[in-house]
Amino acid sequence: SQQGEEDPQALSIQEGENATMNCSYKTSINNLQWYRQNSGRGLVHLILIRSNEREKHSGRLRVTLDTSKKSSSLLITASRAADTASYFCASMNSGYSTLTFGKGTMLLVSP
Amino acid sequence: DGGITQSPKYLFRKEGQNVTLSCEQNLNHDAMYWYRQDPGQGLRLIYYSQIVNDFQKGDIAEGYSVSREKKESFPLTVTSAQKNPTAFYLCASSREIGNQPQHFGDGTRLSIL
Repeated sequence: SQQGEEDPQALSIQEGENATMNCSYKTSINNLQWYRQNSGRGLVHLILIRSNEREKHSGRLRVTLDTSKKSSSLLITASRAADTASYFCASMNSGYSTLTFGKGTMLLVSP
Repeated sequence: DGGITQSPKYLFRKEGQNVTLSCEQNLNHDAMYWYRQDPGQGLRLIYYSQIVNDFQKGDIAEGYSVSREKKESFPLTVTSAQKNPTAFYLCASSREIGNQPQHFGDGTRLSIL
């Protein structure tokens, strides 16, 4: 069943602005992963953060994890038009070995 | 370049037909997965395989079947028992099952004629 829920469902910003997407989940996790999907394409893995980590960076991406609130956020700094895509969080629940995906956030970055 | 190849990109099915979606990977990954994506929805797991000759049902396995005879290949058959097969199907693989990132193919869009 779907567990992760992203917020907002859609986000529209200008190039150069920062974009923040949030994800909530319901049970304890081993890790949480963020993926990007361009229209009509497959998903691309962005970052994996483990349950004992609080923050992770990769280039312009910053992911935080708050296990006490069962939430994670993805920050894209200095956004570009090429960042336009849907972004999904996926949780690997404790005791399980497969991912549960949220419904995603659609990000539109205008030039 | 290593990756996952799904074919065909578009597939049409008549009522009562079975169709098979192909997924091949050259990443030497042990684990492979099939997901279904409906408009505005996240991915739902259909089947997954940890290793050759082994596979398990996911959350929505009814009306689907798979095989894993070779490490590189994990075909998905959408049977006539699947009453609402129109969707975008995504295949993925990971080095092993568990705490690993998944690599995705570019999907097959299945429609009913």
